[in-house]
Amino acid sequence: DAKTTQPPSMDCAEGRAANLPCNHSTISGNEYVYWYRQIHSQGPQYIIHGLKNNETNEMASLIITEDRKSSTLILPHATLRDTAVYYCIVGQAGTALIFGKGTTLSVSS
Amino acid sequence: EAQVTQNPRYLITVTGKKLTVTCSQNMNHEYMSWYRQDPGLGLRQIYYSMNVEVTDKGDVPEGYKVSRKEKRNFPLILESPSPNQTSLYFCASSSRQGGVATEAFFGQGTRLTVV
Repeated sequence: DAKTTQPPSMDCAEGRAANLPCNHSTISGNEYVYWYRQIHSQGPQYIIHGLKNNETNEMASLIITEDRKSSTLILPHATLRDTAVYYCIVGQAGTALIFGKGTTLSVSS
Repeated sequence: EAQVTQNPRYLITVTGKKLTVTCSQNMNHEYMSWYRQDPGLGLRQIYYSMNVEVTDKGDVPEGYKVSRKEKRNFPLILESPSPNQTSLYFCASSSRQGGVATEAFFGQGTRLTVV
């Protein structure tokens, strides 16, 4: 079973920041937090991952709380093309990705 | 360009007729896996392989076989397909070197219908 809890859906206005929360209260010390998204029925696409520190790349930022029990994915300027299902996944390096139900993000103009 | 290639993208077949879905990656990744995605059930892992000649069952392996004779290829075999294997299938690969977390790459998917 997935080790994460995410809201089933969220809305965001185009151009605004989208903040997607994830709870992972049972995360262990060697487990990473990964974020993927799936647009329609395409293959899941990697967004970002982190262990303890906050991370940023060209797509998004990942904020992990100090106790590592929750995290937030931030899309700084959401566009219509960011409409997708976003998955927060917790797991060890090089092991299976266990997908939950994810959050369906709807970006509207 | 780094990619995972699945073939075919779409397939309609009849019950009991053996089929193979191919998966190939060009990134020299050690870890490869197969998922199926069904409405309301999400993505579930079928089989995975940590390296050549090393395969293991995932969460829903019944009715499927895999092989890993070469590092780049990881075919999914349905010896006797049944209608309950109608699904959207994804192959994925990632690196396991050094125990460092890396991104997984997914194929574009194979939509299989068994009638």
